[in-house]
Amino acid sequence: SQTIHQWPATLVQPVGSPLSLECTVEGTSNPNLYWYRQAAGRGLQLLFYSVGIGQISSEVPQNLSASRPQDRQFILSSKKLLLSDSGFYLCAWRGQGGIISGANVLTFGAGSRLTVL
Amino acid sequence: EDKVVQSPLSLVVHEGDTVTLNCSYEVTNFRSLLWYKQEKKAPTFLFMLTSSGIEKKSGRLSSILDKKELSSILNITATQTGDSAIYLCAVASGTYKYIFGTGTRLKVLA
Repeated sequence: SQTIHQWPATLVQPVGSPLSLECTVEGTSNPNLYWYRQAAGRGLQLLFYSVGIGQISSEVPQNLSASRPQDRQFILSSKKLLLSDSGFYLCAWRGQGGIISGANVLTFGAGSRLTVL
Repeated sequence: EDKVVQSPLSLVVHEGDTVTLNCSYEVTNFRSLLWYKQEKKAPTFLFMLTSSGIEKKSGRLSSILDKKELSSILNITATQTGDSAIYLCAVASGTYKYIFGTGTRLKVLA
């Protein structure tokens, strides 16, 4: 069965420091991968998605970046954090295939809560 | 711009009540609508709807899609304290994108 791991679970960082959040998926190959941010218990904002190694689509211009160095690994980074980067970051994956196959469902990791001070 | 709106933003009910959560969307290239429940951390999948008028049901929860009205509802009957959560609606748009709504925070009092 497929599992998704995300770490660290919690981190507190000073303004201007770098960031690296990591997400890996097991039990599947060539997944579509996603990074979302959730502010203050509200809806999810799509940040990046990736359909393959090295292929990143950015949805929101900001000081964050994403990379996919391996098929099942997705990394969210920043060179210099801002206060506004605080939030709950969720990684998600989706399999290949059409709607009928059930591959249309996003499955989420446990999230990383970032506080920037 | 693609948009998904949920209402109400928050709701407080007593155990045993029935609640209806709403989701409306304006999305290009609609493929499906999904409902998720989020308690502490990861949202967990509830339903995926692709066809209008066909109810999906799981225990006390049910959901239906109206493509003419560009909306969906999620019903929870005989609510329990364990139903307290944020309920998220998402629309799959095009080949890869999922657009989420603002969420509805439901609190069920004993």
